[in-house]
Amino acid sequence: EVQLVESGGGLVQPGGSLRLSCAASGFTFSSYSMNWVRQAPGKGLEWVSYISSSSSTIYYADSVKGRFTISRDNAKNSLYLQMNSLRDEDTAVYYCARDRPGSGLLFDYWGQGTLVTVSS
Amino acid sequence: EIVLTQSPGTLSLSPGERATLSCRASQSVSSSYLAWYQQKPGQAPRLLIYGASSRATGIPDRFSGSGSGTDFTLTISRLEPEDFAVYYCQQYGSSPPARGTFGQGTKVEIK
Repeated sequence: EVQLVESGGGLVQPGGSLRLSCAASGFTFSSYSMNWVRQAPGKGLEWVSYISSSSSTIYYADSVKGRFTISRDNAKNSLYLQMNSLRDEDTAVYYCARDRPGSGLLFDYWGQGTLVTVSS
Repeated sequence: EIVLTQSPGTLSLSPGERATLSCRASQSVSSSYLAWYQQKPGQAPRLLIYGASSRATGIPDRFSGSGSGTDFTLTISRLEPEDFAVYYCQQYGSSPPARGTFGQGTKVEIK
C-alpha cells in the first residue's frame, strides 16, 4: 500500500524558516517524481514544487521561487521542502504527492498533509 | 499560463441524482492532459480521472470524464452519499509552462 506521511509543520513567524519532510513507503520511491502541493485554509489547491526521480529536474511555482527548495534522499525514501523567508500567504496545509509515471504534475497518491502557519 | 474556470461553484443535488460539473480552459489543453480530483472535508484530494476520460485505479464507474480542447465535463451518474465533496479539475503535463494548474473547485452538496 502506498503511504506518504508528511511532518515538520507548525507555527513560524514571518521571515522565518521551516523544513517539511515526507516519508514514503509501499512503492519504489527512487523511481518516481514527487511534488509538494498546498492548500490555504478554506481555499483551493496550488502546486508548489516538483522534483524528478533522480533530482535532475526541479520546478517551482512562481510564488515560491527563490524562497523554497525541494530535495529528496532516495536512500531514506524521503522528500523535503526547505521553506525560507516565509510570508503570511504561505499559511497552508502542505501535501506531498506522487507523480503518476509519464504524466508530469499528475498526482496519483497524496499524503494527509502538514499544516504550516505563518503568523506573528 | 492556462486558467481553468469551474462551474457551477456549488451544486445542490439529492442522492441518486446525476451531477454534471464543468471545467473550461482559457487555452486548449494539449493531449487532453486534464484531470479531476475529489476532496472531502479534512482529507487529502483523490485522483478520479486523468487524460480527460480515464478513471484512476479503484474509481467507481459512476464517475466519468469527457471533453477536449477547452471544455471538459465530470459526470457522476447517480450520486452516492459519499460523493458529496469538492471537485477540482487540473491541467498537467511535463513541460513548462504547464504548472499543474487547478480550477477553483465545485462543491457538490446535499440538497
